[in-house]
Amino acid sequence: DAKTTQPNSMESNEEEPVHLPCNHSTISGTDYIHWYRQLPSQGPEYVIHGLTSNVNNRMASLAIAEDRKSSTLILHRATLRDAAVYYCILRENSNYQLIWGAGTKLIIKP
Amino acid sequence: DAGVIQSPRHEVTEMGQEVTLRCKPISGHDYLFWYRQTMMRGLELLIYFNNNVPIDDSGMPEDRFSAKMPNASFSTLKIQPSEPRDSAVYFCASSISYAYEQYFGPGTRLTVT
Repeated sequence: DAKTTQPNSMESNEEEPVHLPCNHSTISGTDYIHWYRQLPSQGPEYVIHGLTSNVNNRMASLAIAEDRKSSTLILHRATLRDAAVYYCILRENSNYQLIWGAGTKLIIKP
Repeated sequence: DAGVIQSPRHEVTEMGQEVTLRCKPISGHDYLFWYRQTMMRGLELLIYFNNNVPIDDSGMPEDRFSAKMPNASFSTLKIQPSEPRDSAVYFCASSISYAYEQYFGPGTRLTVT
């Protein structure tokens, strides 16, 4: 299974953009990049996913490097409610399983 | 939609007792997943079903764990006998199809004393 590397934690100020990095140097051509987040005492929540092109939705944007060996989740204007653990996950196209790492704990300062 | 429903939300039991965790997936979703989360090991996939059929149970830790999905709207995860090392938060998730996002329930926090 391809692995991802994320910083253990990051801090950001409220109402500022947040860029959460993820390295996945062993990604294969058919692996999808998924991001989930887990708020305190809740189940994980889907954020966004992509394959090659950058993706946008109501929650965030996903910027994927041209060589696909890294990606960045962008929260355009962080709020206190965005404080959570963010997981970057590779999903093989032939395997439905999500292999979860330790994630990045995002701390938002008011 | 009510989302994925799990019960109970909290369970405290003594070692050796049988524990049954329950899950109701989102209507229309044909994939169902059971996960376990601990501080030491993070989130681990235990088993998943497609159209009520178990597809991969390689994550089930041992024979004390079993899971069933008798119909499209209900699944159980049973631990018999329970041990203190089974203490964790157990999540159920469902998905509409292959490659779509998974929706998680609120989890069941299990404590085995």
